[in-house]
Amino acid sequence: DAGVIQSPRHEVTEMGQEVTLRCKPISGHDYLFWYRQTMMRGLELLIYFNNNVPIDDSGMPEDRFSAKMPNASFSTLKIQPSEPRDSAVYFCASSLGVSPYGGTEKLFFGSGTQLSVL
Amino acid sequence: GQSLEQPSEVTAVEGAIVQINCTYQTSGFYGLSWYQQHDGGAPTFLSYNGLDGLEETGRFSSFLSRSDSYGYLLLQELQMKDSASYFCAVGLGSARQLTFGSGTQLTVLP
Repeated sequence: DAGVIQSPRHEVTEMGQEVTLRCKPISGHDYLFWYRQTMMRGLELLIYFNNNVPIDDSGMPEDRFSAKMPNASFSTLKIQPSEPRDSAVYFCASSLGVSPYGGTEKLFFGSGTQLSVL
Repeated sequence: GQSLEQPSEVTAVEGAIVQINCTYQTSGFYGLSWYQQHDGGAPTFLSYNGLDGLEETGRFSSFLSRSDSYGYLLLQELQMKDSASYFCAVGLGSARQLTFGSGTQLTVLP
């Protein structure tokens, strides 16, 4: 398996533009997560899906952020309009499910998208 | 709410043993995980503890004490390639998502 695939690897855009990040999870994984990483705030969970259904989007910072998962093999994270403070590395991760102890045992992360909003 | 605490930096020499501690406060708990992240790379899974005790995977071991809300990652026979950030993460409540600590930057010196 190729692992979690994200595109683009780098995105440079101007403030006010729409940005769309894409993710293909590992086949067979039921959970998909979007994380954002910055020096100031570390790794933050934005939203996660279970079987293509959004379960918790409480981490989405503002209405400018939206995420979809139209099928089991594709998800998008959209920022419209983008702002300089959105600059970060955005990671998509997928997981097979919960462990016997109830926790999410192992996340597989994609290589991330480095977003720079000028 | 929830919080995790881990040291921001640790330095050790090649061949040594280093322990990275993690304490947590969370309502609802579903295991403690550890991830490694090299500069410019993605976090990669190292270990998971769902129950108290020690889990060993090669040079790395992880320990959990749920009564103390405490865990640690033990790295033995350190190598230069182990220089990276190490994150502890806890599973939360009924949502099953992971919350990550702020990370420990490990520097291995020759």
